[in-house]
Amino acid sequence: GQQLNQSPQSMFIQEGEDVSMNCTSSSIFNTWLWYKQDPGEGPVLLIALYKAGELTSNGRLTAQFGITRKDSFLNISASIPSDVGIYFCAGVNYGGSQGNLIFGKGTKLSVKP
Amino acid sequence: EAQVTQNPRYLITVTGKKLTVTCSQNMNHEYMSWYRQDPGLGLRQIYYSMNVEVTDKGDVPEGYKVSRKEKRNFPLILESPSPNQTSLYFCASSFYGNTEAFFGQGTRLTVV
Repeated sequence: GQQLNQSPQSMFIQEGEDVSMNCTSSSIFNTWLWYKQDPGEGPVLLIALYKAGELTSNGRLTAQFGITRKDSFLNISASIPSDVGIYFCAGVNYGGSQGNLIFGKGTKLSVKP
Repeated sequence: EAQVTQNPRYLITVTGKKLTVTCSQNMNHEYMSWYRQDPGLGLRQIYYSMNVEVTDKGDVPEGYKVSRKEKRNFPLILESPSPNQTSLYFCASSFYGNTEAFFGQGTRLTVV
């Protein structure tokens, strides 16, 4: 089936640093989503992208839908301790037979105060 | 408050003892799905439902059953649980097509 390659797998950064993570696929997606999962909780939607080239911000978070429709990135500026968690990208291909979300394996972010 | 509610949050059971994990959403969403999350494997879809009485297999359906008799409920059934089904399970719902899915808080299942 379709797969998303998310990188890096984990990041250890200092508070105040900027963070960048990305997802790539061999398949084209119509929608890219970015989620954050806090320990012991379900994933929460951060940003949704619907058009190739779209750049969307949510506070200190910025995400882009790649022009080729096969990739997306998420940037976090000036990280703070509450940014700790696992970040997942997810793609949707409405032309796919299953119509389901495909998730990356996540980027685990640790922030040192 | 808009939410997806799963029960129970934690469950320890023995091999072969049938169990059901309930999922309910109050957002009138058409689409519901179940995922399992395992270390290093991310979120993998078990089953999904595009509407009442319409269900289909996801990526890892073996050993699971679901039903969608009402729009708001989508229970996950393990007829004969095995230790390899020990995992963290999430229910999710969305208006359609599984875009902008809202997740429940998770059910941590241990099968011994």
